[in-house]
Amino acid sequence: GQQLNQSPQSMFIQEGEDVSMNCTSSSIFNTWLWYKQDPGEGPVLLIALYKAGELTSNGRLTAQFGITRKDSFLNISASIPSDVGIYFCAGPLDTGFQKLVFGTGTRLLVSP
Amino acid sequence: NAGVTQTPKFRILKIGQSMTLQCAQDMNHNYMYWYRQDPGMGLKLIYYSVGAGITDKGEVPNGYNVSRSTTEDFPLRLELAAPSQTSVYFCASIKGGTNEKLFFGSGTQLSVL
Repeated sequence: GQQLNQSPQSMFIQEGEDVSMNCTSSSIFNTWLWYKQDPGEGPVLLIALYKAGELTSNGRLTAQFGITRKDSFLNISASIPSDVGIYFCAGPLDTGFQKLVFGTGTRLLVSP
Repeated sequence: NAGVTQTPKFRILKIGQSMTLQCAQDMNHNYMYWYRQDPGMGLKLIYYSVGAGITDKGEVPNGYNVSRSTTEDFPLRLELAAPSQTSVYFCASIKGGTNEKLFFGSGTQLSVL
């Protein structure tokens, strides 16, 4: 089935550092979504991207929709301990969002 | 609004036992989903439903069954539990159409021993 590959798999950083992660697909997506999963909870939507080249921010988070429509990037600036969690990219397999495919996840650990 | 509510939060099953994972949403969402998350992996779609009385298979449906008799409820049934079904199960819902905001429940951690 459709696969979204995320890298890196995990990151261990110091508080205050900036973080970058990416998500790639073998096929084109028209929408990219970034979710965060806190330990013991379900994922929560952070950012949605709708157009190739689009750059969207949500506080310290910035996500970009790749020009080729086969990738997306998420940056976190000035990380804080509550940024800890797993970050997933996702994209719809159909135009009606009936089915979302999720990436493999990037686990972020932040040391105070 | 409670959002998406899943029960139980944890469960241990013996091989061959059956159980039903409950999921309810109070947001009048049309679409509901069941995902499983294996350790260190992303979410895999098991089944989904686009409305009451309509269900369809996702990527990994084998060993599971679902029903959607009401808009609010979308239970997931395991008939003969196997160790390979040890996972965290998430239910999710979305209004549908172009509304991409998928709401997740807090998950059910299932171990089959």
